Amino acid sequence: KNEVEQSPQNLTAQEGEFITINCSYSVGISALHWLQQHPGGGIVSLFMLSSGKKKHGRLIATINIQEKHSSLHITASHPRDSAVYICAVRFGNQFYFGTGTSLTVIP
Amino acid sequence: EPEVTQTPSHQVTQMGQEVILRCVPISNHLYFYWYRQILGQKVEFLVSFYNNEISEKSEIFDDQFSVERPDGSNFTLKIRSTKLEDSAMYFCASSEEGREDTQYFGPGTRLTVL
Repeated sequence: KNEVEQSPQNLTAQEGEFITINCSYSVGISALHWLQQHPGGGIVSLFMLSSGKKKHGRLIATINIQEKHSSLHITASHPRDSAVYICAVRFGNQFYFGTGTSLTVIP
Repeated sequence: EPEVTQTPSHQVTQMGQEVILRCVPISNHLYFYWYRQILGQKVEFLVSFYNNEISEKSEIFDDQFSVERPDGSNFTLKIRSTKLEDSAMYFCASSEEGREDTQYFGPGTRLTVL
């Protein structure tokens, strides 16, 4: 079983701030996902990473396989970024999820 | 843009009743998944399905649960005799063959067991 830990659990930021959310896992994986869950409950897949770094708009995700750690960065944060961000890892054919980081961006 | 759809959006049932949650995956996708999220808790993997059979299931997915692809478009999750603790949001997801790690999630079905 893979333990997935996220930090922080809750994060409040002012609009425009640079945000970092961290994820660590306990066992080697084949892939790591960052997901966004909106207040209404819907889940959107943001990134899938197996190595290195990916960028999409203001979002950047990195992964360090040796350290079993990934980060999600949001540059120039905006109130519409307010959501829960979830890290999930694929281990074998199963997926394990973190508890999520609740982000609130204040105008 | 193609999307995964789920029906109903909210299902209320009495304890002990059977429920069927329905999902329509993206049409060319061949991998299908069910997840659940109990209110205030993290998302949990239930089952993955490929080539008309279960490829992986978690310890949560016991004999009370079953999945089926009854036709070319629907993917269903059946809970035979619901318990109070089955109350949760259930998400369906699908992915393409060769891109199994990129999953597309449906909007979820909120199941309330009374």
